[in-house]
Amino acid sequence: KAGVTQTPRYLIKTRGQQVTLSCSPISGHRSVSWYQQTPGQGLQFLFEYFSETQRNKGNFPGRFSGRQFSNSRSEMNVSTLELGDSALYLCASSSQGARRKNIQYFGAGTRLSVL
Amino acid sequence: ILNVEQSPQSLHVQEGDSTNFTCSFPSSNFYALHWYRWETAKSPEALFVMTLNGDEKKKGRISATLNTKEGYSYLYIKGSQPEDSATYLCAQNSGGSNYKLTFGKGTLLTVNP
Repeated sequence: KAGVTQTPRYLIKTRGQQVTLSCSPISGHRSVSWYQQTPGQGLQFLFEYFSETQRNKGNFPGRFSGRQFSNSRSEMNVSTLELGDSALYLCASSSQGARRKNIQYFGAGTRLSVL
Repeated sequence: ILNVEQSPQSLHVQEGDSTNFTCSFPSSNFYALHWYRWETAKSPEALFVMTLNGDEKKKGRISATLNTKEGYSYLYIKGSQPEDSATYLCAQNSGGSNYKLTFGKGTLLTVNP
């Protein structure tokens, strides 16, 4: 069974540009969550999608958005990039989301550098 | 406790030593506590998910306990090996419509051969 796939693995952008990151969940998983990790910080929750609906959103500005497609693949978009957006972005999939004992399976992440 | 906190931030031990880390979390609205292991350049890997006060989980040389009344969990590693070197993360799910995990900053374990 293939794991969670994130593309691209590395990305370099300049301030003001926008970027789209992709996440393909484990087959059969309907929930995809996105997290940001910056140096010295824990994983910060961005949002979670389940069956194409955003169920929860973290405390990030509106420049961060996402969507989920009918095949459960998810994309995350960041517009008007700022230097502080440089981070590792992880997505995680699970069958029902972060409920009770549902384990979240993580991808390897996309490392975004904003210059 | 308002956030999920982990201690120590980092730890260096010798091969064969046993060690433990702490995860503290808000005890109100507790739903589940997750432990993950994250090796450099790899994906975080789930170790345990615990939901009930007094839960104890074990996987090989690694075990974890949960106290939901006082808001803490311990992760123990018996006879540490160099391959145990990783960052250990705990995360809380506070339930309700809150479909998210709130992570601590992790404990970086280095096991010296």
